[in-house]
Amino acid sequence: GDSVTQMEGPVTLSEEAFLTINCTYTATGYPSLFWYVQYPGEGLQLLLKATKADDKGSNKGFEATYRKETTSFHLEKGSVQVSDSAVYFCALSIQGAQKLVFGQGTRLTINP
Amino acid sequence: DADVTQTPRNRITKTGKRIMLECSQTKGHDRMYWYRQDPGLGLRLIYYSFDVKDINKGEISDGYSVSRQAQAKFSLSLESAIPNQTALYFCATSDSPTYEQYFGPGTRLTVT
Repeated sequence: GDSVTQMEGPVTLSEEAFLTINCTYTATGYPSLFWYVQYPGEGLQLLLKATKADDKGSNKGFEATYRKETTSFHLEKGSVQVSDSAVYFCALSIQGAQKLVFGQGTRLTINP
Repeated sequence: DADVTQTPRNRITKTGKRIMLECSQTKGHDRMYWYRQDPGLGLRLIYYSFDVKDINKGEISDGYSVSRQAQAKFSLSLESAIPNQTALYFCATSDSPTYEQYFGPGTRLTVT
């Protein structure tokens, strides 16, 4: 079945460090791909998305490129801030399947 | 005001009790979802609904039931709560089968 695998956390970085959170997927169709972020005590918010191969989603300095050949959608940011501390979820949606499939989440902590 | 609200935000109940979690939305979306979040497991889909007359089971529906009282309201019930239903529960809405979902703030449920 369809699935999403994320790098295990927790991930701890210093402020201004480069961030990569790996995400790979398995899907039978042509999925749309998403990154959601969950700040402490809050629900999930959409961070960015890509709907077809080679698309790049970006928001708040984060980027992810839909790579069909490697079935990946890695999240990157060039210089993280303390306020980026959160749990990040990779997810996919198959057209017609009407629902999202989530990875297990990666907890990110940024130290000043 | 928040677009997706959940009540209660926190609840402690005893084994065997019936409990209802409520979700309301002002986004005008037809699709509504209930998820459960456990540490290290990401979000798992419990039930989803595409309109008032349409209810579908997700991957972990056993022990849960739902009611779609109106387009804007979707309730989740635990008929006889058990300790392994202790989790964070999220409601979400969507107006498209392939794009982003909008999440409520969550209900933290503890079953003792």
